[in-house]
Amino acid sequence: DAGVIQSPRHEVTEMGQEVTLRCKPISGHNSLFWYRQTMMRGLELLIYFNNNVPIDDSGMPEDRFSAKMPNASFSTLKIQPSEPRDSAVYFCASTLRTGVTGELFFGEGSRLTVL
Amino acid sequence: GIQVEQSPPDLILQEGANSTLRCNFSDSVNNLQWFHQNPWGQLINLFYIPSGTKQNGRLSATTVATERYSLLYISSSQTTDSGVYFCAVAYIIQGAQKLVFGQGTRLTINP
Repeated sequence: DAGVIQSPRHEVTEMGQEVTLRCKPISGHNSLFWYRQTMMRGLELLIYFNNNVPIDDSGMPEDRFSAKMPNASFSTLKIQPSEPRDSAVYFCASTLRTGVTGELFFGEGSRLTVL
Repeated sequence: GIQVEQSPPDLILQEGANSTLRCNFSDSVNNLQWFHQNPWGQLINLFYIPSGTKQNGRLSATTVATERYSLLYISSSQTTDSGVYFCAVAYIIQGAQKLVFGQGTRLTINP
């Protein structure tokens, strides 16, 4: 069975440009999570969805970040406009059980560099 | 919120050695997971272990929920075991579910 699929794997963009990261969770999983990983702050939860509904977006750093989950098999994380401090690896993860108490499976990540 | 502390922060061993990584947490949790982040950055599930002991090949984990810690054992280390090991705990506070990662233990296995 396919795992969590993220795209793009690498993105290099210039400050001010819009960035869209994509995620396909494991089929049948009910919760989806977006994480950001940096050397300074480690792994941070940005937002998570239960059954396509955003539950906790308290980790979204500011209004430049937005996330959507239009259906059970697809989610996007958008940064507009991007800034150099957004450079990080962005992970998507999913769980079968709703919420954070289920077993978490990660995608391979999208490495974002904003120049 | 719950504090998660992992120790040691860094560990350097020779191939074939055994190691024990520790994860302490400051309050009751609903679950605990161990992950391995390999040198290519992939986060790989090792164990989903809210309590008890599990084994998978050379790796095993034990969580003693009443004493608020978990241990990850790696026996007969191989160079492919190198990377960062994270524990993550999930808990519910005031009806909200939270998941917190430790800062990780960086393991280097030298040939």
